Amino acid sequence: GAGVSQSPRYKVAKRGQDVALRCDPISGHVSLFWYQQALGQGPEFLTYFQNEAQLDKSGLPSDRFFAERPEGSVSTLKIQRTQQEDSAVYLCASSSQGARGTDTQYFGPGTRLTVL
Amino acid sequence: QKEVEQDPGPLSVPEGAIVSLNCTYSNSAFQYFMWYRQYSRKGPELLMYTYSSGNKEDGRFTAQVDKSSKYISLFIRDSQPSDSATYLCAMTLGGNNRLAFGKGNQVVVIP
Repeated sequence: GAGVSQSPRYKVAKRGQDVALRCDPISGHVSLFWYQQALGQGPEFLTYFQNEAQLDKSGLPSDRFFAERPEGSVSTLKIQRTQQEDSAVYLCASSSQGARGTDTQYFGPGTRLTVL
Repeated sequence: QKEVEQDPGPLSVPEGAIVSLNCTYSNSAFQYFMWYRQYSRKGPELLMYTYSSGNKEDGRFTAQVDKSSKYISLFIRDSQPSDSATYLCAMTLGGNNRLAFGKGNQVVVIP
């Protein structure tokens, strides 16, 4: 019955370090989304998974960003060689419908990444 | 020009006042319109969900969509201090497509 969970909640990285952010969606949810929310801005779409398939990665800002969902449940967003402009809150959302359905996206609390 | 425009200015109102928020958008293909509420250090939570043009009421909250003007609104009646949060408009093409968000309005309801 738990909602979407994300870990860690806070991450501080030195510029150039690699980071991995985890998302546990609601059990049984088919669709999983990652968004990036800069300070004072609305969330911006990064990528979308239906089960284990990454159907849309058009929002990933550079090839330093990589996401996976190998077993169709937990997802990891990896950022290589972090830069200061990567500092943001990274939000994960899941929904019960696949690509042909329309359903509420339920958001996790986010991971606040600070790159020094 | 961003797909969704929301004037991000903060809004302070006395308890009991009506809060009025709005967004405009440029993509006429958007079909589903939402308002999310986001408390500090939390993820967005869905408040209102509307398909196509028209009004939808849920308790103290009313959402309006005018597709001909590409304009959506959210009204909060009898505002309470617990309504203090950031309100984000969002919209999607449908088919579990990505959400396009506005910048958000920070609302403070003063007791």
